[in-house]
Amino acid sequence: GQSLEQPSEVTAVEGAIVQINCTYQTSGFYGLSWYQQHDGGAPTFLSYNGLDGLEETGRFSSFLSRSDSYGYLLLQELQMKDSASYFCAVRDLGSGGGADGLTFGKGTHLIIQP
Amino acid sequence: EPEVTQTPSHQVTQMGQEVILRCVPISNHLYFYWYRQILGQKVEFLVSFYNNEISEKSEIFDDQFSVERPDGSNFTLKIRSTKLEDSAMYFCASSETPGGETQYFGPGTRLLVL
Repeated sequence: GQSLEQPSEVTAVEGAIVQINCTYQTSGFYGLSWYQQHDGGAPTFLSYNGLDGLEETGRFSSFLSRSDSYGYLLLQELQMKDSASYFCAVRDLGSGGGADGLTFGKGTHLIIQP
Repeated sequence: EPEVTQTPSHQVTQMGQEVILRCVPISNHLYFYWYRQILGQKVEFLVSFYNNEISEKSEIFDDQFSVERPDGSNFTLKIRSTKLEDSAMYFCASSETPGGETQYFGPGTRLLVL
């Protein structure tokens, strides 16, 4: 089976930097994805790490350490619109040749204060 | 920008009734998925679909569920005999690659079973 652990809630101040951690236990591993979900909205893809290291996309960066089964999402210059839930996710390794679903963590609710 | 669409946005049904949730994936995507999210909980994988057959399904996807691609554009999820615990938001997603690290989610159908 697969399991992912992430904090349930993080609070930060507008303009600051926040890091959301994710640790995982998987039977096989390709990489770690991050999704954002606003209340009542759909998950939106943010970032993916297939290899160790840092991936940067604008204000968002994501890091992976395969040896530590650990990754994080870094959000810089926080804006009020970044208030949302953030999910880490891993690919389910199916029988091969088809589409693999994602196993999501329980999500981290990011609260941004002015 | 192409997007996944879903209909209806809301569905209310009586326990024991059949419902069909509809999705139109992004047109050049070949890999399709259904997920559900019970209110306040994480996104859970139901089933993935490729080349007109199921690739992978979770333990949630039991005999009351079925999926179909009736034509070149639609992808449907049928729940044969709804139960109270089927009340959730159902998301359709599609991806270009089988790994599905980057999946594009539709806006969801909120299903309420009474």
